[in-house]
Amino acid sequence: NAGVTQTPKFRVLKTGQSMTLLCAQDMNHEYMYWYRQDPGMGLRLIHYSVGEGTTAKGEVPDGYNVSRLKKQNFLLGLESAAPSQTSVYFCASSYRDRGMNTEAFFGQGTRLTVV
Amino acid sequence: AQSVTQPDIHITVSEGASLELRCNYSYGATPYLFWYVQSPGQGLQLLLKYFSGDTLVQGIKGFEAEFKRSQSSFNLRKPSVHWSDAAEYFCAALRGGNNRKLIWGLGTSLAVNP
Repeated sequence: NAGVTQTPKFRVLKTGQSMTLLCAQDMNHEYMYWYRQDPGMGLRLIHYSVGEGTTAKGEVPDGYNVSRLKKQNFLLGLESAAPSQTSVYFCASSYRDRGMNTEAFFGQGTRLTVV
Repeated sequence: AQSVTQPDIHITVSEGASLELRCNYSYGATPYLFWYVQSPGQGLQLLLKYFSGDTLVQGIKGFEAEFKRSQSSFNLRKPSVHWSDAAEYFCAALRGGNNRKLIWGLGTSLAVNP
């Protein structure tokens, strides 16, 4: 049981390049989330998904797109990377217990630098 | 607006001393409450959670937290801190029911002096 796995762990992009971050969970969780973490700003929600085939915007969605074609995977895309997207990205998942959302389980993070 | 506040950005304690990290929330009703820990270069790990019932909850690594409705607080405590407890600590809240999004505090960075 690997939990939540993020790939890659590190990446350096040039401004304007595109990339996709992959998040995979093997816990059959309904909900999945993408956060970014920046110094002094805590965790900010980019996009989230409440089930296969559904996505929704979080607090800071601009410049990012997501897809959840399979329940276990949640992809975060940067179409044209900007230096402001330099950050540590975390994926998380959570499950429903008796109809209610519960705690989130986190991946180890992806450190992205855009130069 | 719903919010979670961690008043202390940074705390330093000596090894063996007691610890209390503060967390306040603003919600109309009692939310679900969580404390997470993040070691350097790592993801977040759940320390403990409060959904309902006993207001003193026990977590992993010797941590506990007490929910106080009258103060809208959920403070994290540990009686004797170890050097390995140095990390970032995050408080989070989830409005009950089918709410999908956690509301996060900005974190408290804990340093432990030998």
